[in-house]
Amino acid sequence: EVQLLESGGGFVQPGGSLRLSCAASGLTFSSCAMSWVRQAPGEGLDWISAISGGGDSTYYADSVKGRFTISRDNSKNTLYLQMDSLRAEDTAVYHCVKGSSEVRPYYFDHWGQGTLVTVSS
Amino acid sequence: LLTQSPGTLSLSPGERATLSCRATQSFSGSYLAWYQQKPGQAPRLLIYGASSRATGIPDRFSGSGSGTDFTLTINRLEPEDFAVYYCQEYGGSRTFGQGTRVEIK
Repeated sequence: EVQLLESGGGFVQPGGSLRLSCAASGLTFSSCAMSWVRQAPGEGLDWISAISGGGDSTYYADSVKGRFTISRDNSKNTLYLQMDSLRAEDTAVYHCVKGSSEVRPYYFDHWGQGTLVTVSS
Repeated sequence: LLTQSPGTLSLSPGERATLSCRATQSFSGSYLAWYQQKPGQAPRLLIYGASSRATGIPDRFSGSGSGTDFTLTINRLEPEDFAVYYCQEYGGSRTFGQGTRVEIK
């Protein structure tokens, strides 16, 4: 059974940084493209970043480009999201999501429960 | 951009739900997925490739469409089907629609 467990969320002031982690199990991690999808309180789903199975290709939504960095450690089956220069509008639950294959196009076939990030002064 | 309609659908158990997802531009292939999200839970994949059911999804859920117009149909609504449904285009921008809430009438 695929399990994705996020951690690292919390409260941070505007301009601050936070690093999210996602521990994956029950899958061949290095063969899976991974993404982060966030959901602001009471709002819909918002894809923000993706990374290829090998980690050599990364993709970002315009809203986070230049501020967030996605990475992975395949030896630890772990996905990361480094979030810098955080803004109030980054407040959301951040879900770790598994792609259905290593290469595009892929849909999101497994989701973690998410970790809440709150950006406020 | 994906536009879902209606925003909210009020139905009774046993009725049929028809949810629409419309793209502003036609996209290649049928790279359209549907997800279900219940309060306090992570989204769950229902449909991919516009019409293929994901593993373990009951056959009362069906997807159809191509080009710019896609539909999710839920036949004979069960109590556990009342939730929010999102469509997603995954061939290009990975954009999600804004969601349709299916609520109990």
